[in-house]
Amino acid sequence: AQSVTQLDSHVSVSEGTPVLLRCNYSSSYSPSLFWYVQHPNKGLQLLLKYTSAATLVKGINGFEAEFKKSETSFHLTKPSAHMSDAAEYFCVVSPSGLGGTSYGKLTFGQGTILTVHP
Amino acid sequence: NAGVTQTPKFRVLKTGQSMTLLCAQDMNHEYMYWYRQDPGMGLRLIHYSVGEGTTAKGEVPDGYNVSRLKKQNFLLGLESAAPSQTSVYFCASTQRTSGRGGHYNEQFFGPGTRLTVL
Repeated sequence: AQSVTQLDSHVSVSEGTPVLLRCNYSSSYSPSLFWYVQHPNKGLQLLLKYTSAATLVKGINGFEAEFKKSETSFHLTKPSAHMSDAAEYFCVVSPSGLGGTSYGKLTFGQGTILTVHP
Repeated sequence: NAGVTQTPKFRVLKTGQSMTLLCAQDMNHEYMYWYRQDPGMGLRLIHYSVGEGTTAKGEVPDGYNVSRLKKQNFLLGLESAAPSQTSVYFCASTQRTSGRGGHYNEQFFGPGTRLTVL
């Protein structure tokens, strides 16, 4: 079984300050982990993904995340927030290494809404 | 490439009416998925397909049926709509990575269908 917990439902920052969105996961198998972003009334866009290569993953728009197996965490960070970063962010887990039986199914966290103040 | 497209974008139904949502992808992906998104709950998997002619139940399949007659299309049907099915529906597709480990590429999402059942 797998699950994802996003520790904050809302995060509010000022433009130019750092962003931290927290995610803990639980997976019986070596997971693939993703962060997706959803702007209002839009579809989901991939920010970054971890699939057992480097533990520090860099994504688009200056975001990065670090996979910490000992802490079962995959927190998303950005050094300096921009107004255009205001959106909802989803941490997502998918089991891997199961010989194909996971069929790529994803488990989503509940989402974190990021607000950026001028 | 259009990626993943969904029709219609919006729909209002009365309780008991039926409808079909169409998802199409032009990336030759084997795997396709239908999700529903409700506030504070992330995305939840309704049904999925691992290839043409195959379908399987996800986390919340009740009240929905699906068909995958062609590789590029994945249809989601509501036989008798209920107000509890008011939601935003997303279709996604992906392909398994080559090599060992059983990892999957990220899923590509459509723009969504906003359905209201009165």
